[in-house]
Amino acid sequence: AQTVTQSQPEMSVQEAETVTLSCTYDTSESDYYLFWYKQPPSRQMILVIRQEAYKQQNATENRFSVNFQKAAKSFSLKISDSQLGDAAMYFCAYRRGTYKYIFGTGTRLKVLA
Amino acid sequence: GAGVSQTPSNKVTEKGKYVELRCDPISGHTALYWYRQSLGQGPEFLIYFQGTGAADDSGLPNDRFFAVRPEGSVSTLKIQRTERGDSAVYLCASSAGRTDTQYFGPGTRLTVL
Repeated sequence: AQTVTQSQPEMSVQEAETVTLSCTYDTSESDYYLFWYKQPPSRQMILVIRQEAYKQQNATENRFSVNFQKAAKSFSLKISDSQLGDAAMYFCAYRRGTYKYIFGTGTRLKVLA
Repeated sequence: GAGVSQTPSNKVTEKGKYVELRCDPISGHTALYWYRQSLGQGPEFLIYFQGTGAADDSGLPNDRFFAVRPEGSVSTLKIQRTERGDSAVYLCASSAGRTDTQYFGPGTRLTVL
């Protein structure tokens, strides 16, 4: 069975600094998708970034980028120039080509002014 | 609508009561999903609708849980004889197709006393 592990329950970063959130997953599949979602106190899950496993190039969305290491089954999220609005729970998720997402337990990110 | 909406935002009920939770997906999205998020956990898949039919209900925990989507748009998650263990945030998501990125609503926080 596929699993997603986020080993950092909580992280802190100074405003304007860079932080990296870790995620590892376990799968025997070769074709899948990985996601990072942000969940602020409003509870709404917001898509941050998405990576297709067949693409070697790491996905980037403005200040957010990933380090996708397929062989190591690692999918970390780097947030550059952290802002107060980045404070939230961050969930890593795996999807095997269809629709069923498997989420990690989340990392709470605190941004210090 | 502009995004996925869910009502009510919060629901408090007594053990043994019946509750209905509503989800209004993004207009035009044919796929709809329900997830349950317990405290300190990531969302867990409950059920997936393609159009009006439940294509996969393998995540429903038991027969007290039921969901419908009679016209292929709005969906209702129904929980009979609620138990304290049902307390959680129930998230709804929709996507254009089953392989497309899922967009989440703000969830309904259910508290069973």
